[in-house]
Amino acid sequence: KQEVTQIPAALSVPEGENLVLNCSFTDSAIYNLQWFRQDPGKGLTSLLLIQSSQREQTSGRLNASLDKSSGRSTLYIAASQPGDSATYLCAVRADSWGKLQFGAGTQVVVTP
Amino acid sequence: GAGVSQSPSNKVTEKGKDVELRCDPISGHTALYWYRQSLGQGLEFLIYFQGNSAPDKSGLPSDRFSAERTGGSVSTLTIQRTQQEDSAVYLCASSFTGGPNYGYTFGSGTRLTVV
Repeated sequence: KQEVTQIPAALSVPEGENLVLNCSFTDSAIYNLQWFRQDPGKGLTSLLLIQSSQREQTSGRLNASLDKSSGRSTLYIAASQPGDSATYLCAVRADSWGKLQFGAGTQVVVTP
Repeated sequence: GAGVSQSPSNKVTEKGKDVELRCDPISGHTALYWYRQSLGQGLEFLIYFQGNSAPDKSGLPSDRFSAERTGGSVSTLTIQRTQQEDSAVYLCASSFTGGPNYGYTFGSGTRLTVV
């Protein structure tokens, strides 16, 4: 059974520092991996989608890497801002139906 | 529509009552998913629709839970005889085809509280 783990569970950094969020999964047979952001009381906002054949994806200050063989993905957020404060979730797609297996999330606080 | 719409946004119900949660996916998205987010449980998959068919219902926690989708669009998740452990945020997501090249768009969720 696929298990997804996110470390750390919580992270607090001063504004301007780079953020590094880790995601690991136990079964390397994945279709893709997606990073989401969740603000309190809100749904999930998709940040980046990495296909299993890709090594990384970039969008603005966000960069996500994928090492399928070792079962790891890392989300980098450059020059963090208070508006980056949220919970970040990674999810792997491990079956043909598209069911996602989520990690528990990393709660990020960026202090001004 | 521009996004995935869920209603109601909040629902408080008495234990034992039935509730219906609605999801209106992005127009043209054939794949629709329901997830549940409970405190301390993270996000759990409930059911997947492709068009009006549900090829994967493996996440429904009991026979009190059912879902349907009509016209390849709106989906309704029904919980009968609600219990306190059903309290959670119910999230709906849609995807263009459900294929691996496409990501998911989530709605804002319905927060269900059973008292």
